[in-house]
Amino acid sequence: GDSVTQMEGPVTLSEEAFLTINCTYTATGYPSLFWYVQYPGEGLQLLLKATKADDKGSNKGFEATYRKETTSFHLEKGSVQVSDSAVYFCALSVSKGGSEKLVFGKGTKLTVNP
Amino acid sequence: NAGVMQNPRHLVRRRGQEARLRCSPMKGHSHVYWYRQLPEEGLKFMVYLQKENIIDESGMPKERFSAEFPKEGPSILRIQQVVRGDSAAYFCASSPRSYEQYFGPGTRLTVT
Repeated sequence: GDSVTQMEGPVTLSEEAFLTINCTYTATGYPSLFWYVQYPGEGLQLLLKATKADDKGSNKGFEATYRKETTSFHLEKGSVQVSDSAVYFCALSVSKGGSEKLVFGKGTKLTVNP
Repeated sequence: NAGVMQNPRHLVRRRGQEARLRCSPMKGHSHVYWYRQLPEEGLKFMVYLQKENIIDESGMPKERFSAEFPKEGPSILRIQQVVRGDSAAYFCASSPRSYEQYFGPGTRLTVT
């Protein structure tokens, strides 16, 4: 079935360090791919998305490229800030029988220290 | 434009009681999704509804759980005779059309 695997955390970085969170997926068809961020005690916020192969999603300094050949959608940021501390979820959208449900990875907790 | 609203934000129930979770979608959104997040886990799809219709309930437990999205008013996720394993965060998302979902702040259910 459809699934998302992302690197396990927690990840701890110093401010201004480079961030990579790996995400790979298994899906039938051509899913859309997403990164969501969850701050403590809050719901999920869409960070970025890509709807087809080779698309690059970007927002707030974060980037991810939809790689069909490696079935990956790795999240990167060149210089993290303390305010980026949160849990990051990779997800894909599965369209079946009129339903567009999201399938999520388990999440990666990021802590950025000053 | 107000975001997705969920209430209550926190709900405590004793084993055997009923839990009712409410979700008001964003204005103009007619698609509602419910997800459950267990501790240290990602979100798991439960059910997808459009106004007055359940489109996909493949993620709903077969017993004790039900959902509705009436013509007027919020979507309701109902859990009867709650057990400790139902303790989780329940998130609602709404969408104006396919694939882009906007999430509410969630309801954190604790069963004692």
